[in-house]
Amino acid sequence: TQLLEQSPQFLSIQEGENLTVYCNSSSVFSSLQWYRQEPGEGPVLLVTVVTGGEVKKLKRLTFQFGDARKDSSLHITAAQPGDTGLYLCAGVGNYGQNFVFGPGTRLSVLP
Amino acid sequence: DAGITQSPRHKVTETGTPVTLRCHQTENHRYMYWYRQDPGHGLRLIHYSYGVKDTDKGEVSDGYSVSRSKTEDFLLTLESATSSQTSVYFCAIRTGSKYNSPLHFGNGTRLTVT
Repeated sequence: TQLLEQSPQFLSIQEGENLTVYCNSSSVFSSLQWYRQEPGEGPVLLVTVVTGGEVKKLKRLTFQFGDARKDSSLHITAAQPGDTGLYLCAGVGNYGQNFVFGPGTRLSVLP
Repeated sequence: DAGITQSPRHKVTETGTPVTLRCHQTENHRYMYWYRQDPGHGLRLIHYSYGVKDTDKGEVSDGYSVSRSKTEDFLLTLESATSSQTSVYFCAIRTGSKYNSPLHFGNGTRLTVT
């Protein structure tokens, strides 16, 4: 069974601070996705990373896929209250039938 | 934008009763998924479908069955609800033909089994 771990589980920071959340597994994934979920809604895709070592930027968010494709990180620069939410990573296997989700990091950015 | 609707949005039911949740998509996406979300566990796959009448089990399929008689509808049934099935249930569709095409989620059904 493929498992994904995320850390930290909870994070509360002040507006303007930087933060990094991590997604780790002992399994190799063909690609990895990050989603953000707000209360009462379903998760929404932020990014897909495919190549080991790949770095993608989405405004103030920087995503990195580990060289061995077993781990990923999400770095947020100058966090804003609008970044508040549950951040989920999802590993995708070779055939895409199953997306394995991590338990999430719940981020709270205080004004 | 992929249209996906879950119904009902909230349901309270008693232990032992059958419950059916519905997921409806407005486009002809092949892959559809049912997940449950519980604190500390993230999203766990219950069942998925890769076409009409083609379904397969996920990691937490015990106590659940699914049916897909039309491309646009994917039903999740709890044959005899138990308190451990109290959860938020999400339906998702895979929005492209690539294996890593993103999932698009509905807004969930909050189910409480008393």
